[in-house]
Amino acid sequence: DIQMTQSPSSLSASVGDRVTITCRASQSISSYLNWYQQKPGKAPKLLIYVASDLQSGVSSRFSGSGSGTDFTLTISSLQPEDFATYYCQQSYTTPFTFGPGTKVDIK
Amino acid sequence: EVQLVESGGGLVKPGRSLRLSCTASGFTFGDYAMSWFRQAPGKGLEWVGFIRSKGYGGTTEYAASVKGRFTISRDDSKSIVYLQMNSLKIEDTAVYYCARPKGRVVPATNDYWGQGTLVTVSS
Repeated sequence: DIQMTQSPSSLSASVGDRVTITCRASQSISSYLNWYQQKPGKAPKLLIYVASDLQSGVSSRFSGSGSGTDFTLTISSLQPEDFATYYCQQSYTTPFTFGPGTKVDIK
Repeated sequence: EVQLVESGGGLVKPGRSLRLSCTASGFTFGDYAMSWFRQAPGKGLEWVGFIRSKGYGGTTEYAASVKGRFTISRDDSKSIVYLQMNSLKIEDTAVYYCARPKGRVVPATNDYWGQGTLVTVSS
């Protein structure tokens, strides 16, 4: 199975901050990497797919980059509604594995 | 508008069975593969499995943790996907989500999710 790791596991940031979350795969997954946002008690929301494509309806302050084994999710200017947990997920092969998540909270 | 509504969760004893349903609307259900995911309390997301559309054989794939115990099936006439869970273990306690993929064929990237249904396995 492909193992996904994320760093940091949590971070505290202020509104307006630029935030970067890193995801690493245990083997090359080309660009088959998704990013999801999840708020407490809610279903995950797709933000980014195939590493850098912005899902329809998602704010352009979210962006993704990377290929192979190393990927990044960037929030250009953190907004109050962005405080949540973010998960990466490889879509390269089954089992479709997720990273452990990065919780973004208010500083 | 695409909607997915899970039902069937509840409290069940270890070793017993439970069937979850996910009722879909707002799209041509039979054209899409459908997936199940789960999230244990306070934990991360885990893929459970998926079922392809009948046009692609209606075949299924499962996570190793549930293979042989869980079965995914679909009723395209009712727009429902099921998750039959047998021989339940305490570690199967989770919120279970159904999801629809962006593409019709490969259910690797899911842009529509249900609200989830909680399954608690406890004696």
